[in-house]
Amino acid sequence: AQKVTQAQTEISVVEKEDVTLDCVYETRDTTYYLFWYKQPPSGELVFLIRRNSFDEQNEISGRYSWNFQKSTSSFNFTITASQVVDSAVYFCALRGAGGSGNTPLVFGKGTRLSVIA
Amino acid sequence: DSGVTQTPKHLITATGQRVTLRCSPRSGDLSVYWYQQSLDQGLQFLIQYYNGEERAKGNILERFSAQQFPDLHSELNLSSLELGDSALYFCASSLHGRELETQYFGPGTRLLVL
Repeated sequence: AQKVTQAQTEISVVEKEDVTLDCVYETRDTTYYLFWYKQPPSGELVFLIRRNSFDEQNEISGRYSWNFQKSTSSFNFTITASQVVDSAVYFCALRGAGGSGNTPLVFGKGTRLSVIA
Repeated sequence: DSGVTQTPKHLITATGQRVTLRCSPRSGDLSVYWYQQSLDQGLQFLIQYYNGEERAKGNILERFSAQQFPDLHSELNLSSLELGDSALYFCASSLHGRELETQYFGPGTRLLVL
């Protein structure tokens, strides 16, 4: 069975602080894909990043960076110099490559980030 | 804007009723997914279609059904509605439905059952 754990339910930071959102996953698949999505107060789910299990290179996109560590089954997300517009619920998700294209995308419970001005 | 459209945006109905949620995938995407987001269950996968055929099933109740039409739009039918069915229902799409593909989500339909 596949599982994603986001232990931090809510985080509150002051603007310009850095913040890291934790994501730990469980899967028996040797090939799998990890995702982060953002859900702003308006409700839509916005794709942020996809990472393949065979590519452990960290990624940076502007103020966002992702740290993928297979050894600890973690895929953490850091926002540098947070802004009020970053306030949202962030979801980590996992999809195993069962080979038949019918494995589901499994989401964590989400972390609600509040950035205070 | 993800390119996935969902209608209606909001729906208020009564227990025992039946509703239909509609989704149009991104241009070129052949696979459609439905998800339910509720406070207690979080984001749960319901069902996936690929080019008109059911590809995978998740925690979808028997009272719920879906289909994907030849023009690739999809509908999720919810019947004998209960209070607990109140949730945000998302549709997502991807090119071929493969695991490595990113799923792009629509804006969701917020269902309130009174």
